Amino acid sequence: AQSVTQLDSHVSVSEGTPVLLRCNYSSSYSPSLFWYVQHPNKGLQLLLKYTSAATLVKGINGFEAEFKKSETSFHLTKPSAHMSDAAEYFCVGSSASKIIFGSGTRLSIRP
Amino acid sequence: GAVVSQHPSRVICKSGTSVKIECRSLDFQATTMFWYRQFPKKSLMLMATSNEGSKATYEQGVEKDKFLINHASLTLSTLTVTSAHPEDSSFYICSANGQGQETQYFGPGTRLLVL
Repeated sequence: AQSVTQLDSHVSVSEGTPVLLRCNYSSSYSPSLFWYVQHPNKGLQLLLKYTSAATLVKGINGFEAEFKKSETSFHLTKPSAHMSDAAEYFCVGSSASKIIFGSGTRLSIRP
Repeated sequence: GAVVSQHPSRVICKSGTSVKIECRSLDFQATTMFWYRQFPKKSLMLMATSNEGSKATYEQGVEKDKFLINHASLTLSTLTVTSAHPEDSSFYICSANGQGQETQYFGPGTRLLVL
């Protein structure tokens, strides 16, 4: 069975400190993996995507993610959090025409 | 590029009426469009997948006669909530991707409130 697991439902960091949002996947196929961000009452915005071209993927707003096949992980990181990063983040997997959403991680930023 | 719009952004209706939500791809041809429902503080729940010119494929548990989906052109899909009830109140989001593309581009969502 294919699945995408976001390990933390809520992450809180101080402004200016690093951000780590964790995502693990399981798939019989090599998946395409995405991170999306959703601000309150808004749609989802694509942050970055992995499609096997490079394991370290750089996205918008300073975010990046590294695909680690040995760990079946695709964690999202940012070196320095900004107040505007507070939002819900979704890890999404796509393989064999199936799209699978993680349960989401709410990121809070402390001043 | 790759912009998806939804209309309306917010709608309030009376119980028993029908509501139509439009999803448009503005700068690309969307061979496949997806409709999601999102409950407060929850992830997105896929309702159905629609391909242009063919019938939508509904996920298990989604009533196809209640949630009518039409994908009549490569840039427009509509979701009609028929005989809406208060429990249909939710945030409905569409997404679209182009032919052969895996990246989904999401609309801004439609907030439906049924009184």
